[in-house]
Amino acid sequence: GESVGLHLPTLSVQEGDNSIINCAYSNSASDYFIWYKQESGKGPQFIIDIRSNMDKRQGQRVTVLLNKTVKHLSLQIAATQPGDSAVYFCAERHGSSNTGKLIFGQGTTLQVKP
Amino acid sequence: ETGVTQSPTHLIKTRGQQVTLRCSSQSGHNTVSWYQQALGQGPQFIFQYYREEENGRGNFPPRFSGLQFPNYSSELNVNALELDDSALYLCASSLGLAGVRETQYFGPGTRLLVL
Repeated sequence: GESVGLHLPTLSVQEGDNSIINCAYSNSASDYFIWYKQESGKGPQFIIDIRSNMDKRQGQRVTVLLNKTVKHLSLQIAATQPGDSAVYFCAERHGSSNTGKLIFGQGTTLQVKP
Repeated sequence: ETGVTQSPTHLIKTRGQQVTLRCSSQSGHNTVSWYQQALGQGPQFIFQYYREEENGRGNFPPRFSGLQFPNYSSELNVNALELDDSALYLCASSLGLAGVRETQYFGPGTRLLVL
């Protein structure tokens, strides 16, 4: 079925620590994955994406890891800052789809303690 | 380069009314997708428009309809509003052929409340 799930609804970390947000997906035909950050009252903001032919991709302070064997995606944020506090969504797109339909998970709330 | 903009920011309607939401895509983007985000949930795909044609639709009834204009801006129309239509409506734009794995950039959304 179509579902993208996150393991934890809320993650609380200390400022300066690294954060890891996890996501499980169910469709093995998905070949493109995206992480979005959504702050209160705003639309989702693109963070980083990864295609299924890759295992890892790095951005500025963020790393996305993809494990296709267990259908698991994670977002790592280095040196977490108060400004990182938000809801984080993973989203997938099915490789067989001829549309841009993204399937989102429920979201994980990241709380950064000063 | 301007980002995705949406109007209005907030809207209050009553059951049975009709509503039109508007979206201007990011400069140079020719594909627009609409999503509905209920409180505490992830966005759900409504439909996508590419070069003024609908290209894919999610599990939403026909009373949800849309348009895309030659300048790639878009409208979402919802008829016969129901209480469950209360949500944040998000527009996302992307560049390129629909189905190509192009990043979708979201606007700030329109918060619709149906009473």
